Amino acid sequence: QQNVQQSPESLIVPEGARTSLNCTFSDSASQYFWWYRQHSGKAPKALMSIFSNGEKEEGRFTIHLNKASLHFSLHIRDSQPSDSALYLCAVSMGGGYKVVFGSGTRLLVSP
Amino acid sequence: AQTIHQWPVAEIKAVGSPLSLGCTIKGKSSPNLYWYWQATGGTLQQLFYSITVGQVESVVQLNLSASRPKDDQFILSTEKLLLSHSGFYLCAWSLVDWASAETLYFGSGTRLTVL
Repeated sequence: QQNVQQSPESLIVPEGARTSLNCTFSDSASQYFWWYRQHSGKAPKALMSIFSNGEKEEGRFTIHLNKASLHFSLHIRDSQPSDSALYLCAVSMGGGYKVVFGSGTRLLVSP
Repeated sequence: AQTIHQWPVAEIKAVGSPLSLGCTIKGKSSPNLYWYWQATGGTLQQLFYSITVGQVESVVQLNLSASRPKDDQFILSTEKLLLSHSGFYLCAWSLVDWASAETLYFGSGTRLTVL
């Protein structure tokens, strides 16, 4: 049974700061990894994905994956108040149509 | 462009009453379809998935059932609601190709309050 854990539970950072969010998973056979962002009262929306070890950058966002450590992370450069949201990591084994989410990190970026 | 429409937007129901929630996906043929449930401030819990019309797989037992009567429609229902059914219900679809794996595209959700 896949177990996905996120840390920290919540985070307050000043505008312009670098923010780091962490996700650990339990099944070493996991293949696909995502970060989703959910603004209050809205549906989650996929932010970034990574399917192989290493790093991927898209604008202010960078995702790192280390399968050996069962860990991946999201880094936000120059955090903005509009980045304030619930960030959910998600993991899939692939092919089984089961995507397991972490419990989320609530980020607040103060102006 | 693909669109996903969920209905209703919100429901307030009594314990023991029936429930039917639905979603429709337009602009994409034969998508994978999913139902997720999110307790207030809680984790997204996958409930069901479907890869084709008439076939639905249950992921967790919560006294709910799901059906896919048409290629573009997914229904979530129960005959008797429990207080624990309160929460945010999300329908999602994903592409069926290796490049995007199972990136989920969510509908706007239904907020259910059971009293």
